[in-house]
Amino acid sequence: KNEVEQSPQNLTAQEGEFITINCSYSVGISALHWLQQHPGGGIVSLFMLSSGKKKHGRLIATINIQEKHSSLHITASHPRDSAVYICAVGSGNKLVFGAGTILRVKS
Amino acid sequence: DVKVTQSSRYLVKRTGEKVFLECVQDMDHENMFWYRQDPGLGLRLIYFSYDVKMKEKGDIPEGYSVSREKKERFSLILESASTNQTSMYLCASSVPTGTDTQYFGPGTRLTVL
Repeated sequence: KNEVEQSPQNLTAQEGEFITINCSYSVGISALHWLQQHPGGGIVSLFMLSSGKKKHGRLIATINIQEKHSSLHITASHPRDSAVYICAVGSGNKLVFGAGTILRVKS
Repeated sequence: DVKVTQSSRYLVKRTGEKVFLECVQDMDHENMFWYRQDPGLGLRLIYFSYDVKMKEKGDIPEGYSVSREKKERFSLILESASTNQTSMYLCASSVPTGTDTQYFGPGTRLTVL
């Protein structure tokens, strides 16, 4: 079993839909990260969480430390949100990554 | 803005060749990382370095070595490239706490024929 599990692996949505991507982890962590990777490879950090909830524009990330679970929500999705979304947990001085969720938003 | 650059976006090499991938960061970060990314497997850590001339093996170091002679530069070396090393290679850097935000380069897509 992987230490970081994401679901779903693939997600297709219509423009305007509310999207949720889930991440569960099995190791002790100091922080959880949500990353975005657009076609072409570049990865950018969206959020770093150690508790509670963070919001940036249409993106919301939550974490439940007791349940070892985090969610990334996208409100009013847009085709430009199409990307791979990656959950990563900080364990020791390294990050452990989930396999990623491929999101496609159709107009 | 932090900038992490990688020497090539695309690279095609032949089996048995020695391959050098270079990564440079401009934010004076102590930590630097090399990952490979394969479909369905996510990013896997090959090696990381927490200081000049210091290195530590990651999860999949076999077939790879690294060099960090200067703080801003971290090189990944494939001593004798094999077809199973065809992959996307990503470099990242971060400040010393390690679990802080990592800044990624654009990636090098390596094909070994």
